[in-house]
Amino acid sequence: GNSVTQMEGPVTLSEEAFLTINCTYTATGYPSLFWYVQYPGEGLQLLLKATKADDKGSNKGFEATYRKETTSFHLEKGSVQVSDSAVYFCALIRGGGGADGLTFGKGTHLIIQP
Amino acid sequence: GAGVSQSPRYKVAKRGQDVALRCDPISGHVSLFWYQQALGQGPEFLTYFQNEAQLDKSGLPSDRFFAERPEGSVSTLKIQRTQQEDSAVYLCASSANPLGNQPQHFGDGTRLSIL
Repeated sequence: GNSVTQMEGPVTLSEEAFLTINCTYTATGYPSLFWYVQYPGEGLQLLLKATKADDKGSNKGFEATYRKETTSFHLEKGSVQVSDSAVYFCALIRGGGGADGLTFGKGTHLIIQP
Repeated sequence: GAGVSQSPRYKVAKRGQDVALRCDPISGHVSLFWYQQALGQGPEFLTYFQNEAQLDKSGLPSDRFFAERPEGSVSTLKIQRTQQEDSAVYLCASSANPLGNQPQHFGDGTRLSIL
């Protein structure tokens, strides 16, 4: 079946540091890949997505590249801010075109200190 | 409304009681999903509707869980004879069309506590 593994948290960084949150997946076919973010007290929001191999999703300074050869979709940001403190979820949806439930990782809690 | 709306925001029930959780998707969205999120975990898929048709209920943990979307808009997730292990946040999401690569828009969830 499908599964997503992401690095355990919490991850604590200083403001302006470089961020990487690792995500690897197991899936049949060619899934679409997503990063969702959950800010304190808020619901899940889509951060970025990629639907095929070598696609790069980007938003708010965050980037992730769909790497089929390593089955990875690592999230990166060059300079984090305190406002980036949140829980980040990597997720996939199966390939094949039809709608389906998302498969999520367990989430990575990111804490940015001033 | 502008986003997915869920009610109530919090629900406390005694073990053995029945509960009903409501989801108002984004207007016009065809697809609707329910997820269960245990504390410290990622959301887990429960069930999926395309309009009023329940196309996938493979994630429902037992026959005590029942979901409906009779007119293809509002959906209700019902849990009968609640147990303590049902305590979780229940998330609803909707997407505009049945394509798998379309983003799902989430509500803020209902936090269910079973005493």
